[in-house]
Amino acid sequence: QVQLEESGGGAVQSGKSLNLSCAAAGFAFKNFGMHWVRQAPGKGLEWVAFMSSDGNKQNYADSVKGRFAISRDTSRASLHLQMNSLKPDDTGVYYCARDLGSIRPILEYWGRGTLVTVSS
Amino acid sequence: QSVLTQPPSVSEAPRQRVTISCYGTSSNVGTNAVNWYQQLPGKPPRLLIYYDDLLPSGVSDRFSGSKSGTSASLAISGLQSEDEADYYCATWDETLNAPVFGGGTKLTVL
Repeated sequence: QVQLEESGGGAVQSGKSLNLSCAAAGFAFKNFGMHWVRQAPGKGLEWVAFMSSDGNKQNYADSVKGRFAISRDTSRASLHLQMNSLKPDDTGVYYCARDLGSIRPILEYWGRGTLVTVSS
Repeated sequence: QSVLTQPPSVSEAPRQRVTISCYGTSSNVGTNAVNWYQQLPGKPPRLLIYYDDLLPSGVSDRFSGSKSGTSASLAISGLQSEDEADYYCATWDETLNAPVFGGGTKLTVL
């Protein structure tokens, strides 16, 4: 079955960097677009970034554009999110999710998430 | 302030039916399909409804979705205690050129 496992979260100070990873298993990773979605403590879901199956297309939320970079390693079936210039507002659980493969995003499978805490 | 508007909370008794609304605009709900996600306490979200009214494999047919104009709805019939969760609508926004979520609705089964 589809498995997504995030790692790399932790506590950092404002202005620092973190690199999140998502290990994928149970499906042909190279065939699916992938997303990062975050959830601040006690708050709702916020889409963060998307990378197409071939890696040629990336999209970012305005709130992270220029600071975050999404990437993927097909050989390792892994997705990454390089987060720079972190702010306290970036605090939350970060989920990776597999896209259904439709024209518009449909987040079909989700990992359990990894917690990022940014202190001022 | 979320792009899509949902009631913060709804409640209903077991075995009854409840609906959760999701209001958008012509640039999102009015133009693109709506998806719904269920997030049980302490768990990651899971896809509940896609393309307005389709159920993924394994989702109970007690859940149903609909859409009319710039509003969408999620209905849950035969409420059970295990349905207590947060529910989020989502779609694509043509103006923002990005996926957008509603603020979420907390369902309490009385």
